Amino acid sequence: GESVGLHLPTLSVQEGDNSIINCAYSNSASDYFIWYKQESGKGPQFIIDIRSNMDKRQGQRVTVLLNKTVKHLSLQIAATQPGDSAVYFCAEKGGRANAGKSTFGDGTTLTVKP
Amino acid sequence: IAGITQAPTSQILAAGRRMTLRCTQDMRHNAMYWYRQDLGLGLRLIHYSNTAGTTGKGEVPDGYSVSRANTDDFPLTLASAVPSQTSVYFCASKPRASTGELFFGEGSRLTVL
Repeated sequence: GESVGLHLPTLSVQEGDNSIINCAYSNSASDYFIWYKQESGKGPQFIIDIRSNMDKRQGQRVTVLLNKTVKHLSLQIAATQPGDSAVYFCAEKGGRANAGKSTFGDGTTLTVKP
Repeated sequence: IAGITQAPTSQILAAGRRMTLRCTQDMRHNAMYWYRQDLGLGLRLIHYSNTAGTTGKGEVPDGYSVSRANTDDFPLTLASAVPSQTSVYFCASKPRASTGELFFGEGSRLTVL
């Protein structure tokens, strides 16, 4: 079956440094990927997305890279701030055949040290 | 404020009891979803509805049922709760099933004793 996995369950960085969170997926038919941020006690919130016809997309302080050859995507956060401390999930939508359902990875907990 | 409202926020329930978690959205989104989130794990899809009047099974549907009588409401029912259903439940929606990000509620924390 399909799976989405994150390489590291936890990541600790110093405030001001850049953060890189990685994710691997198994379904080569996946056509859409999303990164979510979940703060403690809250529901996940959309950060950034990327379609399979792209290999890079940039937002405000965040960049998502997609490598379809090795089925890997990453989330880069520039100048990490204490407010970035949260659990980050990657999710993939497996195309029309999967009725638009999203499969989530297990999450990486990012801790930003002051 | 537009968004998704879940109720209750938290509930402790005796095993064997029936429980309905409520979910209402005012964004007129077609697609709605129920996920459960267990400690250290990602979100797992329980049931979904691509449009009012239709529902489908997700990854972990056993012990749960849903209905979608209208666009706004998508209740999740546990017919006879068991301790393994202790979890945080998230309702989510998006404008169309085919694309777009999910909008999540704040979650319902359920403890089954």
